[in-house]
Amino acid sequence: SYELTQPLSVSVALGQTARITCGGNNIGSKNVHWYQQKPGQAPVLVIYRDSNRPSGIPERFSGSNSGNTATLTISRAQAGDEADYYCQVWDSSTADVFGGGTKLTVL
Amino acid sequence: EVQLVESGGGLVQPGRSLRLSCAASGFTFDDYAMHWVRQAPGKGLEWVSGISWNSGSIGYADSVKGRFTISRDNAKNSLYLQMNSLRAEDTALYYCASREPLWGAFDIWGQGTMVTVSS
Repeated sequence: SYELTQPLSVSVALGQTARITCGGNNIGSKNVHWYQQKPGQAPVLVIYRDSNRPSGIPERFSGSNSGNTATLTISRAQAGDEADYYCQVWDSSTADVFGGGTKLTVL
Repeated sequence: EVQLVESGGGLVQPGRSLRLSCAASGFTFDDYAMHWVRQAPGKGLEWVSGISWNSGSIGYADSVKGRFTISRDNAKNSLYLQMNSLRAEDTALYYCASREPLWGAFDIWGQGTMVTVSS
């Protein structure tokens, strides 16, 4: 089965750049999607197909994907960006898979 | 307004059944594949099941295969999840979500319905 590995937590200073990684075997060959989930709320799609932003998502959110690692980058981090972030892919052997999630703390 | 509203959750004893529903509005329901994703208390997201727009393709996570059945009624803009032989480990907040056909991502999510399996 296909697995995605994320760090449990990432911290970033206010106004700096946060990078959240998502590791998987040859993940660069797959489409990676990223979701933001704030406490008590449903997940929100922030990046689709590696690097595309849905309408309404700030340009500060960007994504990349190559080799065995996909990365969500949040520039000029704000207090409102504190949330759990999940990566997700579709794999032919496992169907849809989510990473374990990363808690982003803005200091 | 684009919306998904889940219902049907509750407290149920191990081994019993429950049926979840998800009502869609504000978009063309039968253009979208639909999915159930769950989240156990304090844990991450877990994909549970998905169904194509015409019910022609259905998939389940190994953890629920043989116990859960997904279905949809496009005339009623509704998605369902029949859950049988429930276990304590099925306790979770169950979300329905639509998959945007061009993006491949889950673009619309409901607020979830809580299922608690306990004696």
